[in-house]
Amino acid sequence: AQSVTQLGSHVSVSEGALVLLRCNYSSSVPPYLFWYVQYPNQGLQLLLKYTSAATLVKGINGFEAEFKKSETSFHLTKPSAHMSDAAEYFCAVSVNSGYALNFGKGTSLLVTP
Amino acid sequence: DVKVTQSSRYLVKRTGEKVFLECVQDMDHENMFWYRQDPGLGLRLIYFSYDVKMKEKGDIPEGYSVSREKKERFSLILESASTNQTSMYLCASSSGHPAGREEQYFGPGTRLTVT
Repeated sequence: AQSVTQLGSHVSVSEGALVLLRCNYSSSVPPYLFWYVQYPNQGLQLLLKYTSAATLVKGINGFEAEFKKSETSFHLTKPSAHMSDAAEYFCAVSVNSGYALNFGKGTSLLVTP
Repeated sequence: DVKVTQSSRYLVKRTGEKVFLECVQDMDHENMFWYRQDPGLGLRLIYFSYDVKMKEKGDIPEGYSVSREKKERFSLILESASTNQTSMYLCASSSGHPAGREEQYFGPGTRLTVT
């Protein structure tokens, strides 16, 4: 079965610094990969998704992620953190034959002034 | 604008009560999902449905049941609420059959407290 592991339950960066949130996947078949963001007291919102087209995926709010098959990774990056990026971030995986997403445990991003 | 709505944002129930959580989507999506979210555990799938009157167990179905009588509505039922069911409950929907490559749209969540 497919799964994802998010490295680091909490990440802290300074405003303006690079954001790097790590996600590694496990799947025996080509996966579809997603990053979601959850702001306080809200549901999840899609940031970006990989569905076997371009390996570098650009999302909303300046985020992007690169699919690296050799490393089984799909890390999320943003060149310059903004205070409004403080939120919980979830990586998720699915396969074409399935219905449901398998989510990681989440990474809480703190942005300090 | 796509929308998934949940009947309550906050709910407090007593142990042993029967609890209904309602979810409605206005996107004509085939697939609907119920997750629970707990700190440090991420989102865990309780049940999902890929068609009216169809349901499939997720990873943690024990203590829950679901109902989907209409395409736009998916209900989660706690037959006899227990304190270990205190959690945030998230509903989601998606299109496609199967749904693996499609984005799921989430409601705002219901924070349920069982005392």
